[in-house]
Amino acid sequence: AQTVTQSQPEMSVQEAETVTLSCTYDTSENNYYLFWYKQPPSRQMILVIRQEAYKQQNATENRFSVNFQKAAKSFSLKISDSQLGDTAMYFCAFISVRNDMRFGAGTRLTVKP
Amino acid sequence: SQTIHQWPATLVQPVGSPLSLECTVEGTSNPNLYWYRQAAGRGLQLLFYSVGIGQISSEVPQNLSASRPQDRQFILSSKKLLLSDSGFYLCAWTAENYGYTFGSGTRLTVV
Repeated sequence: AQTVTQSQPEMSVQEAETVTLSCTYDTSENNYYLFWYKQPPSRQMILVIRQEAYKQQNATENRFSVNFQKAAKSFSLKISDSQLGDTAMYFCAFISVRNDMRFGAGTRLTVKP
Repeated sequence: SQTIHQWPATLVQPVGSPLSLECTVEGTSNPNLYWYRQAAGRGLQLLFYSVGIGQISSEVPQNLSASRPQDRQFILSSKKLLLSDSGFYLCAWTAENYGYTFGSGTRLTVV
């Protein structure tokens, strides 16, 4: 069974600084996709970034980038130049072509002014 | 463009009352649809998913049920709510890139 682990329940960062959120997963599949979702206080789930397992190049979306280590089954999210609006719960998620999406327990990120 | 609608946004129901939450998708056909529940400050638990009309798969046994009467409609129901059914319910559908698009959620409080 696929599992997703986020070992950091809570993190904080100063505004304009950089923070990295960790995520590991376990799967026997070779073709899969990884995601980071953001859930602000409104509780709307917002897709932050997406990575295809067959791509070696790490995905980047503006201030958000990932460090995808397929052999280590690691998928961390780096947020550069943190902004107050980045304060939210962040969920790492995994999906393969044969399974539904699995989520980690989440990391609560607080950006401090 | 594809959109997903979920309602109501907030619901307060007494124990033992019935429940019906609705989710509809626009701009796509034959989507995979999902119901998730999120307890306060916790992760997402998959409740049901559907790959087509009348096809429902349940992840965990519980007091809830789901139905898909139309291609783009997904309903979460209960005949008698329990206090433990309180939570935040999210509907989602699968986009072509395998990412999920979520509805805005329903905050259910059972009193």
